[in-house]
Amino acid sequence: AQKVTQAQTEISVVEKEDVTLDCVYETRDTTYYLFWYKQPPSGELVFLIRRNSFDEQNEISGRYSWNFQKSTSSFNFTITASQVVDSAVYFCALSEAALINNAGNMLTFGGGTRLMVKP
Amino acid sequence: DGGITQSPKYLFRKEGQNVTLSCEQNLNHDAMYWYRQDPGQGLRLIYYSQIVNDFQKGDIAEGYSVSREKKESFPLTVTSAQKNPTAFYLCASSVGGATEAFFGQGTRLTVV
Repeated sequence: AQKVTQAQTEISVVEKEDVTLDCVYETRDTTYYLFWYKQPPSGELVFLIRRNSFDEQNEISGRYSWNFQKSTSSFNFTITASQVVDSAVYFCALSEAALINNAGNMLTFGGGTRLMVKP
Repeated sequence: DGGITQSPKYLFRKEGQNVTLSCEQNLNHDAMYWYRQDPGQGLRLIYYSQIVNDFQKGDIAEGYSVSREKKESFPLTVTSAQKNPTAFYLCASSVGGATEAFFGQGTRLTVV
């Protein structure tokens, strides 16, 4: 069975600090996909990134970067120079290839990390 | 604008009542999903549908029912059999395969 663990339930930082959100996953599948979503106070989940299990290259998008390490089953998310607008709940999610078909992609979510960025 | 619309945003239910949450998408996505979110537990899959007139149970389907009569619509009914229905409900859709899911803004259901 697949499982996603986000050990940090809440993180509080001061604006301009760097912060890393941890994500550890478990899966028996060799082909899988990892996602990060942001949930602002409005409630809607906003897609941030998708990574497949064969691509371990780190990715950077502006102030956001992701570190994928299969050896430790981790897919960590770093925000550089955090801003108040980054305050939200962040979810890491996993989808196994065995559960994906032409029209479906069921996600297993971690418990989320609430990030609070103070001015 | 393309997107997913959930209504209502807030819903109050008396014990023993069935209520239906609406989810409509105009993204032309084949797959649609319902998730439940409880504090500190992330999202859990209730039901999903890959095509019109077909749907499957997710991890926590007991006490819920769905229909998929149209591609655009995937309503969720919370029945009186659901013992702890107070939660935040999110609807999502995706093109298919391993693509990302797009989410609606959610419905917060409270039992009074």
